[in-house]
Amino acid sequence: NAGVMQNPRHLVRRRGQEARLRCSPMKGHSHVYWYRQLPEEGLKFMVYLQKENIIDESGMPKERFSAEFPKEGPSILRIQQVVRGDSAAYFCASSPQTPVTLNTGELFFGEGSRLTVL
Amino acid sequence: GNSVTQMEGPVTLSEEAFLTINCTYTATGYPSLFWYVQYPGEGLQLLLKATKADDKGSNKGFEATYRKETTSFHLEKGSVQVSDSAVYFCALWKGSASKIIFGSGTRLSIRP
Repeated sequence: NAGVMQNPRHLVRRRGQEARLRCSPMKGHSHVYWYRQLPEEGLKFMVYLQKENIIDESGMPKERFSAEFPKEGPSILRIQQVVRGDSAAYFCASSPQTPVTLNTGELFFGEGSRLTVL
Repeated sequence: GNSVTQMEGPVTLSEEAFLTINCTYTATGYPSLFWYVQYPGEGLQLLLKATKADDKGSNKGFEATYRKETTSFHLEKGSVQVSDSAVYFCALWKGSASKIIFGSGTRLSIRP
């Protein structure tokens, strides 16, 4: 049973370009979370999605960032017009349960996508 | 708001030494508390958890006790191994929130 798959593992973009990060959750999981880790900082929550719905995007920057989790296919985190401050590791995690029943607290993480903006 | 503060790293120890990584939290009510571990080149994985005061979580020789009075959840291990070298994240989940809040992570290196 494959774990959470993220790609690309490493992505280099020039300022002003777009970055697209993909996340395929574990089989049977319908909840996806995106976290960002800036250099020397902790994990910061960005967005929580279920299939075709954004449940909580309180951690998403108001501009340039968007996320989706379509009925078919992976979840995608999209960053438009990247700037150097977007350089970070972006982690995706999945869960089979809603927050209300997330009493195990176990999120299953991918290995991350490391974005470098030149 | 809710937050987690953990011991800054890096922490370097010799094999078989005793380990403590401090973690304190700020939250109203009774959050659930977790330790996640990230081995080199891998994603995070749950190490242990505690869901109420005085609970002790344990796994792979690691332990942490949920202390409501000191709002702490310190990670301990009696005898570390080289294979324990990793980054350790303390985290909390408030229940009604939809996200788990992580600390900044503590990098642990064990010398043979």
